[in-house]
Amino acid sequence: ETGVTQSPTHLIKTRGQQVTLRCSSQSGHNTVSWYQQALGQGPQFIFQYYREEENGRGNFPPRFSGLQFPNYSSELNVNALELDDSALYLCASSPYGRDQESQYFGPGTRLLVL
Amino acid sequence: GDSVTQMEGPVTLSEEAFLTINCTYTATGYPSLFWYVQYPGEGLQLLLKATKADDKGSNKGFEATYRKETTSFHLEKGSVQVSDSAVYFCALFPLEGNNRLAFGKGNQVVVIP
Repeated sequence: ETGVTQSPTHLIKTRGQQVTLRCSSQSGHNTVSWYQQALGQGPQFIFQYYREEENGRGNFPPRFSGLQFPNYSSELNVNALELDDSALYLCASSPYGRDQESQYFGPGTRLLVL
Repeated sequence: GDSVTQMEGPVTLSEEAFLTINCTYTATGYPSLFWYVQYPGEGLQLLLKATKADDKGSNKGFEATYRKETTSFHLEKGSVQVSDSAVYFCALFPLEGNNRLAFGKGNQVVVIP
């Protein structure tokens, strides 16, 4: 059983640029959630995708957007990067339905914005 | 809204000592409760969970009991090892609504040989 994978592992960008992060869900999982983890903090929910549609969103501005593909993999896009966007971005997959609460996380992408 | 509060500050203890990390929550109804562990440079791993009052989650020697009366889910381990050094996060998943995990701020645990 393949776990959740994310790419790239690390990324350095400058303020104002755009970034795309990628996530492949665990086999058998059709729901993907994205979280932002600032240094020394717990993860904060960005949004969730199910059936290629956004299925819930946290308190993040519209410059954070996403996609889900037919194979359930997902992308997180961030436009107009700000210094405060520097964080570990975590993707989590889960089965939709009764056990959707059990979310399995990837290793994350560490983004540094200069 | 739903939230999780973890005790302040890192926890430093000697090998074979008893570990307790406090977690309390605020939520509508009865959420599912989780402990996740994050080793240095890695993502989060699900450690244990409990889905209803009085349930006890357990894994790898760690335990936590869902206490509705005190809205708590404290993590315990009887004898820690150096390999248990990590950051531990308490989280809840609401019974209804927003399909998201709400995390506490985490506690750094350092086990000294």
